[in-house]
Amino acid sequence: GNSVTQMEGPVTLSEEAFLTINCTYTATGYPSLFWYVQYPGEGLQLLLKATKADDKGSNKGFEATYRKETTSFHLEKGSVQVSDSAVYFCALSMDSNYQLIWGAGTKLIIKP
Amino acid sequence: DVKVTQSSRYLVKRTGEKVFLECVQDMDHENMFWYRQDPGLGLRLIYFSYDVKMKEKGDIPEGYSVSREKKERFSLILESASTNQTSMYLCASKIAGTRTYNEQFFGPGTRLTVL
Repeated sequence: GNSVTQMEGPVTLSEEAFLTINCTYTATGYPSLFWYVQYPGEGLQLLLKATKADDKGSNKGFEATYRKETTSFHLEKGSVQVSDSAVYFCALSMDSNYQLIWGAGTKLIIKP
Repeated sequence: DVKVTQSSRYLVKRTGEKVFLECVQDMDHENMFWYRQDPGLGLRLIYFSYDVKMKEKGDIPEGYSVSREKKERFSLILESASTNQTSMYLCASKIAGTRTYNEQFFGPGTRLTVL
């Protein structure tokens, strides 16, 4: 079946460090891919998305590229800030149904 | 902006009580979802509704039911609350349609504690 695997956390970095959170997927077909972010005490919000191979989603300095050949959608940011501390979820959806398939989430902690 | 609201941010109930969690969205979305979020387990889908009066079981429907009498409102019901239902409950909605519109919009969550 379809699934999403993302790196376990917590990931702890210093401010201004480079961030990568890995996400790989298994899907029968061509999914859309998403990164959601959950700040402390809040619900999830969409961070970025990509709907076809080689698309790059970007928002708030974060980027992720849809790599069909490696079935990956890794999240990157060049210089993280304390305010980026949150839980990040990778997810996919298929045209054929209404649901999102979620990764387990990766907690990111940025220290000043 | 899409707004999804949930009736309570925090709720404390006793074992055996019937619990209602309400979710309202203001963007005329057809699809609505209830998830629970537990540490280390991510989000798990309890139920979803693709239109008014329609409902489908998700991955963990046992012990829950839902109601969707109006398009904007989707209720989650715990028929007889148990301690293992202590969790964060998240409601989401999305427009029906193609892959381009598969983004889900989330409410702030209800943290339910069952004693």
